[in-house]
Amino acid sequence: GENVEQHPSTLSVQEGDSAVIKCTYSDSASNYFPWYKQELGKGSQLIIDIRSNVGEKKDQRIAVTLNKTAKHFSLHITETQPEDSAVYFCAASKGIQGAQKLVFGQGTRLTINP
Amino acid sequence: GAVVSQHPSRVICKSGTSVKIECRSLDFQATTMFWYRQFPKKSLMLMATSNEGSKATYEQGVEKDKFLINHASLTLSTLTVTSAHPEDSSFYICSARGGAGGRTNEQFFGPGTRLTVL
Repeated sequence: GENVEQHPSTLSVQEGDSAVIKCTYSDSASNYFPWYKQELGKGSQLIIDIRSNVGEKKDQRIAVTLNKTAKHFSLHITETQPEDSAVYFCAASKGIQGAQKLVFGQGTRLTINP
Repeated sequence: GAVVSQHPSRVICKSGTSVKIECRSLDFQATTMFWYRQFPKKSLMLMATSNEGSKATYEQGVEKDKFLINHASLTLSTLTVTSAHPEDSSFYICSARGGAGGRTNEQFFGPGTRLTVL
């Protein structure tokens, strides 16, 4: 089955700097790659996703890149702010529009230092 | 975005008792609901997938007689942990999928339920 590895497990950056979190996946049939932000007391929120037919997607300060050949994808957060502090999870799935189950990475605890 | 609630947010119970956790989609109809378990500093592990009106599909290694799932309506799914043991202590998270805002394959997650078995 699919296996998703996520690095680093913890990341601390200065406010205003950029943060990058990387994930690798094992199943070449996976075609949908979402990123979730988990904050205490709140449900995990989808912050950005990418499908296998594109290599990069950007939404304001957040971007995701996908390298299908190498089977890895990354989350980039620029101009980080204290409210970006949270646990971030990557995931992968397959099927029509990624309709099959999500397999999650181990999570990255991001801390933004003021 | 769509909202999913879970109740209770925290529960403490004695070994041998059963605990029921509710998952509700508040503003959309969820054709599919998922139950995950998350250990400290670990990833979300899918336990089972349930479709409204049918039996849940459990992941390998998950005991269906211990973790009872009912998805009786399009807005409610329940997870009952039967004869709980301390090793069942964990963070249980549900998600719901189905027709919200046109993103029919997006999963919307509840805030989770922390179960502690004494």
